[in-house]
Amino acid sequence: QLQLQESGPGLVKPSETLSLTCTVSGGSISSSDYFWGWIRQPPGKGLEWIGHIYYAGATYYSPSLKSRVTIAVDTSKNQFSLKLISVTAADTAVYYCARLRRGYNWFGPWGQGTLVTVSS
Amino acid sequence: QSVLTQPPSVSAAPGQNVTISCSGSSSNIENHYVSWYQQLPGTAPKLLIYDNKKRSSGIPDRFSGSKSGTSATLDITGLQTGDEADYYCGAWDSSLSAVFGGGTKLTVL
Repeated sequence: QLQLQESGPGLVKPSETLSLTCTVSGGSISSSDYFWGWIRQPPGKGLEWIGHIYYAGATYYSPSLKSRVTIAVDTSKNQFSLKLISVTAADTAVYYCARLRRGYNWFGPWGQGTLVTVSS
Repeated sequence: QSVLTQPPSVSAAPGQNVTISCSGSSSNIENHYVSWYQQLPGTAPKLLIYDNKKRSSGIPDRFSGSKSGTSATLDITGLQTGDEADYYCGAWDSSLSAVFGGGTKLTVL
């Protein structure tokens, strides 16, 4: 059974860089049928797509975050990562990683999520 | 402001049926598959419906999805207290973005 698990610091200072890793287990990240994505959810609010990556390296980013986001993949570790630079309090959210079906665009399964708070 | 529009809340009694709507445009729902997600309190979203109307593994047939034009709906029949959750619709948008609705809170009275 495929599982995803986010990891990284729970507290980031304003203007610094948020870095998270998603570890995929129970299946290969090098599947031609799927992308690997990041979605976030500010406290009490809805879901916001951040971006996703194909195992070969192609990336797709939200236009509103594109200038600050980098998603990378490490197939040798079955992991992919998120970097968000110049964070502010508005970036405080639960960050989820999830598998995205190519061409059909559904997300599943999802990781359990990790809360990242931006505060000094 | 979400690209896809959902009612903020719906409610019904146990055993009754409820419909959650998701409104979009020709850039998303009309020309791309719709998916639905259930988020129980304090947990991650879970895929309920994909490809407009297919149920994800283990999802009971009380849950069904449909799409017509620029709108989609999630129907839940025979409501149970365990169905109380937030529900989100999602789709791809021609602006090369994945988009979600703002979410609907289902209360089982």
